[in-house]
Amino acid sequence: KQEVTQIPAALSVPEGENLVLNCSFTDSAIYNLQWFRQDPGKGLTSLLLIQSSQREQTSGRLNASLDKSSGRSTLYIAASQPGDSATYLCAALSNDYKLSFGAGTTVTVRA
Amino acid sequence: EAEVAQSPRYKITEKSQAVAFWCDPISGHATLYWYRQILGQGPELLVQFQDESVVDDSQLPKDRFSAERLKGVDSTLKIQPAELGDSAMYLCASKPGQGPHYEQYFGPGTRLTVT
Repeated sequence: KQEVTQIPAALSVPEGENLVLNCSFTDSAIYNLQWFRQDPGKGLTSLLLIQSSQREQTSGRLNASLDKSSGRSTLYIAASQPGDSATYLCAALSNDYKLSFGAGTTVTVRA
Repeated sequence: EAEVAQSPRYKITEKSQAVAFWCDPISGHATLYWYRQILGQGPELLVQFQDESVVDDSQLPKDRFSAERLKGVDSTLKIQPAELGDSAMYLCASKPGQGPHYEQYFGPGTRLTVT
């Protein structure tokens, strides 16, 4: 069974600092790795999806890397803003087409 | 932009009562999922539909939970009787087909509180 871990569980940074969020997964046989944002009490918003054949994906201030062989993905958020405060979840799509989620990293950006 | 709709957004119920959630996927999406997200954890799959058929309900507590998608469009998830441990966010997601190249789109969720 795929296990997805996100460390740390919470992170607090001053505005303007770059954010680095980590995700690890136990089974490297994945189709893709996806990063989501979740605001308190809300649903999931997809941020970036990296196919297994890709090494990274970028969207604006967000960049996600994938190292399938080591079972790791990293989400970088440049020049953080208070509006970036949220919980960020990663999810791995395994060979059985099931999406396995981490518990998330809750980010607070202090103004 | 098309979205997955869910209702109600919030539900408070007493334990032993019945509760039902509704999901309307993006038009044309054949695959529909129900997830449960306990506070502080990631979502976990409860049931997956392909059109009107259940593909995977291995994690659905069938003694109290049921799910249906009668016409292969919208779906209902029911809990009877509700227990305190059922308090969670219930998320619905859909995608055009079963293949891995399709991305899942999530609805806003239903927050259930069982008292």
